[in-house]
Amino acid sequence: GESVGLHLPTLSVQEGDNSIINCAYSNSASDYFIWYKQESGKGPQFIIDIRSNMDKRQGQRVTVLLNKTVKHLSLQIAATQPGDSAVYFCAENSQGAQKLVFGQGTRLTINP
Amino acid sequence: SQTIHQWPATLVQPVGSPLSLECTVEGTSNPNLYWYRQAAGRGLQLLFYSVGIGQISSEVPQNLSASRPQDRQFILSSKKLLLSDSGFYLCAWKKQGSTDTQYFGPGTRLTVL
Repeated sequence: GESVGLHLPTLSVQEGDNSIINCAYSNSASDYFIWYKQESGKGPQFIIDIRSNMDKRQGQRVTVLLNKTVKHLSLQIAATQPGDSAVYFCAENSQGAQKLVFGQGTRLTINP
Repeated sequence: SQTIHQWPATLVQPVGSPLSLECTVEGTSNPNLYWYRQAAGRGLQLLFYSVGIGQISSEVPQNLSASRPQDRQFILSSKKLLLSDSGFYLCAWKKQGSTDTQYFGPGTRLTVL
């Protein structure tokens, strides 16, 4: 998409603080959402997903929130650690669609 | 469990040379397969996807082509590489017919000189 060529926005947080990464989507028919983590030189890794019949889902130190009214998705990381430094991508899918639509990504950096 | 492999891991090629990157998936059958490219510090650009053997959908017209000769094999090719083909190439798979997670391979770092 058009965002592919843009530099990634950056979020800097202190180690131990909570991080919140946001993502907006435009397709009201999207019913499945995924967050990926991509470390330098590696492929994106699945972190957590959520379906549109939910508004919150928790994993280990991560929580995804979905607000369908404003088409907004967020990833919360609790007690951020140095190993959380990475680029985070959101992705959306709708029933019958063969491909995901990815957000532009956010680079999370952790300050000691 | 399912695994996805890509090779080579890194590749340095001269301008004008051909390219062949391979992706294979194990532990599943009839997956959807995808090729993405990622420039340094940028997002994911979908290049091709396939829902079955011999079925290729192209997302971006360019100097590349894709083929799926076997159910779990996806190949990205070029007859003559350009400098702009440099990047990180990622293969991914997803269960067909489901709204489900897409899983990525480890990627191939291509540098065209």
